[in-house]
Amino acid sequence: DQQVKQNSPSLSVQEGRISILNCDYTNSMFDYFLWYKKYPAEGPTFLISISSIKDKNEDGRFTVFLNKSAKHLSLHIVPSQPGDSAVYFCAASEDAGGTSYGKLTFGQGTILTVHP
Amino acid sequence: NAGVTQTPKFQVLKTGQSMTLQCAQDMNHEYMSWYRQDPGMGLRLIHYSVGAGITDQGEVPNGYNVSRSTTEDFPLRLLSAAPSQTSVYFCASSSFLAGDVGELFFGEGSRLTVL
Repeated sequence: DQQVKQNSPSLSVQEGRISILNCDYTNSMFDYFLWYKKYPAEGPTFLISISSIKDKNEDGRFTVFLNKSAKHLSLHIVPSQPGDSAVYFCAASEDAGGTSYGKLTFGQGTILTVHP
Repeated sequence: NAGVTQTPKFQVLKTGQSMTLQCAQDMNHEYMSWYRQDPGMGLRLIHYSVGAGITDQGEVPNGYNVSRSTTEDFPLRLLSAAPSQTSVYFCASSSFLAGDVGELFFGEGSRLTVL
């Protein structure tokens, strides 16, 4: 049972345009959400996160939106750059400050390709 | 700044063989964990540790053992490898900072093939 789902295996975008990556979850106990980026032959690297008490968090070109009622989050990249081409993983954690610390549930990943 | 170091990067085993994937971090992180990545499945938690001498199971622990004798090291042992354990394995670590949750630092991965 996949508790975190990224239903789009891939996304192709032109340089300078907006990239929108989507993620859905089913576990209502999740209270912290993260996005990781992964290049080939490297480990995932942390990108941006959001707590369930917020609905938006912004960091430079990256913005994460959380819709708790729909159990949906999205990552917006504006403007997209060729160097953003990578696999993006959505992840979630429950009871983040307690016993579930660091126990992340990941989605399947979305391959983003940004064309020059 | 080494961060999280995994060895070996590649390994081929025959069914029934045993091996240990090594993981070391130099950031004095309390929390360490092992994930496996399979096509279409994302990353799944195998085992984790919140400090030396303390380990616990994740989502997919069967067939794997871990121990944490020091803060720096968290080896993952396969006692009798099976083809279903063919995967890419990632070790990760994190620190219990106030307000800091789940920001894991990952190693580069170890690709294991079991024939």
